[in-house]
Amino acid sequence: KQEVTQIPAALSVPEGENLVLNCSFTDSAIYNLQWFRQDPGKGLTSLLLIQSSQREQTSGRLNASLDKSSGRSTLYIAASQPGDSATYLCAVARETSGSRLTFGEGTQLTVNP
Amino acid sequence: GAGVSQSPRYKVAKRGQDVALRCDPISGHVSLFWYQQALGQGPEFLTYFQNEAQLDKSGLPSDRFFAERPEGSVSTLKIQRTQQEDSAVYLCASSLVYGNTEAFFGQGTRLTVV
Repeated sequence: KQEVTQIPAALSVPEGENLVLNCSFTDSAIYNLQWFRQDPGKGLTSLLLIQSSQREQTSGRLNASLDKSSGRSTLYIAASQPGDSATYLCAVARETSGSRLTFGEGTQLTVNP
Repeated sequence: GAGVSQSPRYKVAKRGQDVALRCDPISGHVSLFWYQQALGQGPEFLTYFQNEAQLDKSGLPSDRFFAERPEGSVSTLKIQRTQQEDSAVYLCASSLVYGNTEAFFGQGTRLTVV
């Protein structure tokens, strides 16, 4: 059974700091990995999707890397802003389960002005 | 519509009551998923449809949970005889094609069973 772990569970940083969120998964046979953002009372917004054959994806101040063999992904946020405060979720899709996603428990990020 | 729409946004049910949660996916999206998210946890898979066919219902926690998508568009998640442990946010997601996991999520329905 695939298990996804995110570290840290919570993170508080001052505005402008660069930061890294970590995600690990137990079964390396994945189809792809996605990072989502969730604001309180809202649904999930997809930030980045990395196919299993890719090493990283970038969007603006966000960069996500994937090391499939070691079962790890990181989400790097550059020059953090208070508007980045949210819960960040990592999710993987296994090759044999189609599009079904297995989520981590998330990292709750607070960026202080 | 422009995105996945779920209704109601909030539902309070008395223990033992039946509830029905609705999901309107993005028009033309073949795949539809339901997830359950408990407070402080990540979403957990409940069930998956490809058009009207329910291809995976392995995540449904008990036989009190039932989902349907009769015409391959709108889906309804029904929970019979609700219990307190059913309190959670129920998220619906859709994606354009089978195997494409870039899914778009709705805002969820927060169910509170009292």
